[in-house]
Amino acid sequence: DTAVSQTPKYLVTQMGNDKSIKCEQNLGHDTMYWYKQDSKKFLKIMFSYNNKELIINETVPNRFSPKSPDKAHLNLHINSLELGDSAVYFCASSQGEAMGPLHFGNGTRLTVT
Amino acid sequence: SQQGEEDPQALSIQEGENATMNCSYKTSINNLQWYRQNSGRGLVHLILIRSNEREKHSGRLRVTLDTSKKSSSLLITASRAADTASYFCATALIQGAQKLVFGQGTRLTINP
Repeated sequence: DTAVSQTPKYLVTQMGNDKSIKCEQNLGHDTMYWYKQDSKKFLKIMFSYNNKELIINETVPNRFSPKSPDKAHLNLHINSLELGDSAVYFCASSQGEAMGPLHFGNGTRLTVT
Repeated sequence: SQQGEEDPQALSIQEGENATMNCSYKTSINNLQWYRQNSGRGLVHLILIRSNEREKHSGRLRVTLDTSKKSSSLLITASRAADTASYFCATALIQGAQKLVFGQGTRLTINP
């Protein structure tokens, strides 16, 4: 009964490939996010969606394209992967008041070789 | 430097002792939140304190907020080995895009 689940947990791929990460939440939340955590543990927001609409796009390269087919799902597609994309990507969701508590998935560790 | 910065970056104490972590930020906030991250896992929300609140408690956790100094502290009392984790503060900004801005965290190690 994981509240926010993302797949896969690990992703190892070569430079230039295209990959996707999927996220689903069963909390009934309206807002979903993608965060990137680098090797120094710094966590930075990439995107947020509210009821399937993009509301935050934090100067992320165009190679990253989020897609929200419904408010329970937010997927992340990455084209032409680069070494610098290696990181842990977290999906999160929240409900109600803006900037309330976030519920995080367990992350997808992406390694680009 | 970042909006939220935790101090210290790493803290190692004996089980049973109290642990205090600090967070400083730069711009006005709507609220400030603390999260815990165990190794290989996602962040877990611990406590939210609003800009008009000064102190909040939750079990063994005590959070203070000083908006005049733009700082917050998280106190964990009677620490346990299971408290070993990274702790992050996150600030909800008043101006600009509505988002949480995280610091780099404090790595807390509780030695048995």
